[in-house]
Amino acid sequence: AQSVTQLGSHVSVSEGALVLLRCNYSSSVPPYLFWYVQYPNQGLQLLLKYTTGATLVKGINGFEAEFKKSETSFHLTKPSAHMSDAAEYFCAALNYNQGGKLIFGQGTELSVKP
Amino acid sequence: EPEVTQTPSHQVTQMGQEVILRCVPISNHLYFYWYRQILGQKVEFLVSFYNNEISEKSEIFDDQFSVERPDGSNFTLKIRSTKLEDSAMYFCASSDRASGGGTLHFGNGTRLTVT
Repeated sequence: AQSVTQLGSHVSVSEGALVLLRCNYSSSVPPYLFWYVQYPNQGLQLLLKYTTGATLVKGINGFEAEFKKSETSFHLTKPSAHMSDAAEYFCAALNYNQGGKLIFGQGTELSVKP
Repeated sequence: EPEVTQTPSHQVTQMGQEVILRCVPISNHLYFYWYRQILGQKVEFLVSFYNNEISEKSEIFDDQFSVERPDGSNFTLKIRSTKLEDSAMYFCASSDRASGGGTLHFGNGTRLTVT
């Protein structure tokens, strides 16, 4: 069964520093991959997604993620962190034949220090 | 931008009581979902719904749970007799497509507390 693993439940960076949030999926057939962000007391907002085509995907708020099949990874990056990036980030996978049944990672809380 | 709305934002209920969580999906979406997140745990799929019937459900979604689209706009999750372990954040989502190319749009969630 598909599983998604996010390394690090909590990541702390300084403002202006690189943000790197790690995500690995388990299936041998690459799924569709997503990153969602959850700000306090809000719902899950889509940051970006990979379905097919270019493996480097750009999303909102300056985030991007690269799909690496050889590493079964879909890490999220942002060159320069902003205080407003502080939130919980979820990686999720979706198998082709399973409609909207997203499989989520456990989430990574990002803190940004001034 | 259209959004999924959920009410109430917080529901407190006593064990054994019935609760109904309400959702208004995006108007032109046809696929509807419920997910939940127990505090400190992963977001988990509960059920998907299309064309007035359940498409898929997880093992969590037992006989105590039901979903309904009572009219053209609302999508509800009913828990018949709540248990302490039902305490969680419940998210509704909708999509315009069933396939992986469709994006799930989530509501802000309803935090259910069972005492």
